[in-house]
Amino acid sequence: QKEVEQDPGPLSVPEGAIVSLNCTYSNSAFQYFMWYRQYSRKGPELLMYTYSSGNKEDGRFTAQVDKSSKYISLFIRDSQPSDSATYLCAMSGPIQGAQKLVFGQGTRLTINP
Amino acid sequence: SQTIHQWPATLVQPVGSPLSLECTVEGTSNPNLYWYRQAAGRGLQLLFYSVGIGQISSEVPQNLSASRPQDRQFILSSKKLLLSDSGFYLCAWSVPGADYEQYFGPGTRLTVT
Repeated sequence: QKEVEQDPGPLSVPEGAIVSLNCTYSNSAFQYFMWYRQYSRKGPELLMYTYSSGNKEDGRFTAQVDKSSKYISLFIRDSQPSDSATYLCAMSGPIQGAQKLVFGQGTRLTINP
Repeated sequence: SQTIHQWPATLVQPVGSPLSLECTVEGTSNPNLYWYRQAAGRGLQLLFYSVGIGQISSEVPQNLSASRPQDRQFILSSKKLLLSDSGFYLCAWSVPGADYEQYFGPGTRLTVT
């Protein structure tokens, strides 16, 4: 079993829709949960991170962490064609060492005008 | 502000040839540095990380090596490339103690023929 599982998609939604992206994980020691956005042929861009459980909002993006279920989500409101990209979840915790992130496979998202 | 550079952007090399990829960071001192590889449709795999000049930790045994000759310079090398070395190579940096926030460079796309 992979430490981090993420549905690779592809996911295609109409412009303006609410998008839900998810990851599950198996390592209960993970403490930091990150979401990266990666445009085609570019490096990943850190969108936001959350420490432990709870919600975090940044503009149209909301990250949720449920440590009891080992489940994290990223919601995108009022989705735009410019949101079309691959979204990667990543996690880190002391058992992994401070320097190491574990990434999901990434979900390819397309927003149709 | 901090900037991370990688070069070359694209590289096509024959099997058995050497490799040298370079990464430099501007606008910060004593960063932690990382090399990742991303195979097509897959998540990021950590190859090496460094917490200081000359200090390299390897995550995956293979025919690649890394060096950090200067504080903000990180080099990925190989003496003889294999077909399986093809992929998208990404350099990243973080502030020590905040390694859950990693910032990626634009990447080098390597094709071994």
